[in-house]
Amino acid sequence: RKEVEQDPGPFNVPEGATVAFNCTYSNSASQSFFWYRQDCRKEPKLLMSVYSSGNEDGRFTAQLNRASQYISLLIRDSKLSDSATYLCVVTPASGGSYIPTFGRGTSLIVHP
Amino acid sequence: DAGVIQSPRHEVTEMGQEVTLRCKPISGHNSLFWYRQTMMRGLELLIYFNNNVPIDDSGMPEDRFSAKMPNASFSTLKIQPSEPRDSAVYFCASSLWRESPLHFGNGTRLTVT
Repeated sequence: RKEVEQDPGPFNVPEGATVAFNCTYSNSASQSFFWYRQDCRKEPKLLMSVYSSGNEDGRFTAQLNRASQYISLLIRDSKLSDSATYLCVVTPASGGSYIPTFGRGTSLIVHP
Repeated sequence: DAGVIQSPRHEVTEMGQEVTLRCKPISGHNSLFWYRQTMMRGLELLIYFNNNVPIDDSGMPEDRFSAKMPNASFSTLKIQPSEPRDSAVYFCASSLWRESPLHFGNGTRLTVT
């Protein structure tokens, strides 16, 4: 099993739709979780951190389920500009080595 | 806020040549990461520095790759000799401390012919 797994998609949705992505991780000692957005031929950019109690930033909601070892990202009222690849990042907190591990990303296409 | 600065943005070289990629992290950030991204393998961590010290280089593909961080404001990733399979986008990222979010540079798009 890969350390961090995401459905590559693409998720093809109309404007205004609600879409959700999941990201599963294998290391139960994982401590920090983030969602990044990457546009074509650009660098990944932080979208939001994921907190244990869940958190919201405008149209975006992130949740963490430690028991089932996954994080999720919900996008409400999708905009054309939301089209991008969404990457989850998981980091363990054990030992002296700290390796943020990225999923392969989920592609989102929002169409008119 | 200048962000993470990488150079060059693009590099085209012939197989066997030496390639040096450069990175200036955000001032005050203690951790620096080098990643490589390809369509086939996604984002792969090559090496991670904390306070200028290499902590984990298990992702470095082979001895042809080396990385240094002589001070808190500069790091290099060198490939010698380069091979066509090294073609990828190489990203440098820095973070304030171990568990804080990564901030990426614009990347260096390397093509080895």
